[in-house]
Amino acid sequence: ELKVEQNPLFLSMQEGKNYTIYCNYSTTSDRLYWYRQDPGKSLESLFVLLSNGAVKQEGRLMASLDTKARLSTLHITAAVHDLSATYFCAVGRNTDKLIFGTGTRLQVFP
Amino acid sequence: EAQVTQNPRYLITVTGKKLTVTCSQNMNHEYMSWYRQDPGLGLRQIYYSMNVEVTDKGDVPEGYKVSRKEKRNFPLILESPSPNQTSLYFCASSPWAGGTGSNSYEQYFGPGTRLTVT
Repeated sequence: ELKVEQNPLFLSMQEGKNYTIYCNYSTTSDRLYWYRQDPGKSLESLFVLLSNGAVKQEGRLMASLDTKARLSTLHITAAVHDLSATYFCAVGRNTDKLIFGTGTRLQVFP
Repeated sequence: EAQVTQNPRYLITVTGKKLTVTCSQNMNHEYMSWYRQDPGLGLRQIYYSMNVEVTDKGDVPEGYKVSRKEKRNFPLILESPSPNQTSLYFCASSPWAGGTGSNSYEQYFGPGTRLTVT
């Protein structure tokens, strides 16, 4: 059974600092997603990672995938307040169902 | 504008009263899916559909039905809602066109439907 664990669950960080959110999954997967959700809003797609070693960057966010370790990371560089949100990873395999992590609530303070 | 729409956005109903939440996409996507979001549990997949007349159970299908008679629509049906189905529901669609491009698997989410069952 595919399980997805995210950590930390909560992250309070100062503006300008760097940090990493981790997403571990339990079985072979061929798709990994990162989403952002603002309070009361829908999910916004950040990255889709399909292959081992894939790295994608958008602004201050960079996502990577290590399929051998069954691990994806979302790295935040020089955090700003606008990045405050909840971040989810989700893992899928072929036509199987998609499993989400429980989310990381990020708060960036001055 | 390319989008996924859901209706209604908010619904308060009583136990046992059948309801349908509609989902429609205008992107000609093959794949559609329903999720529920509950505090501390993240999103859990209810049902998904790879194409017209093809549906399959997700992680939490009990108490829900779906149909995919047309490519653009994927309604979620609660035949006899119960209070434990109070939740925030999201519909999503994806091209699912195969190949190696990540855009093929991009999921686009609707705005959400907040359902309260009393």
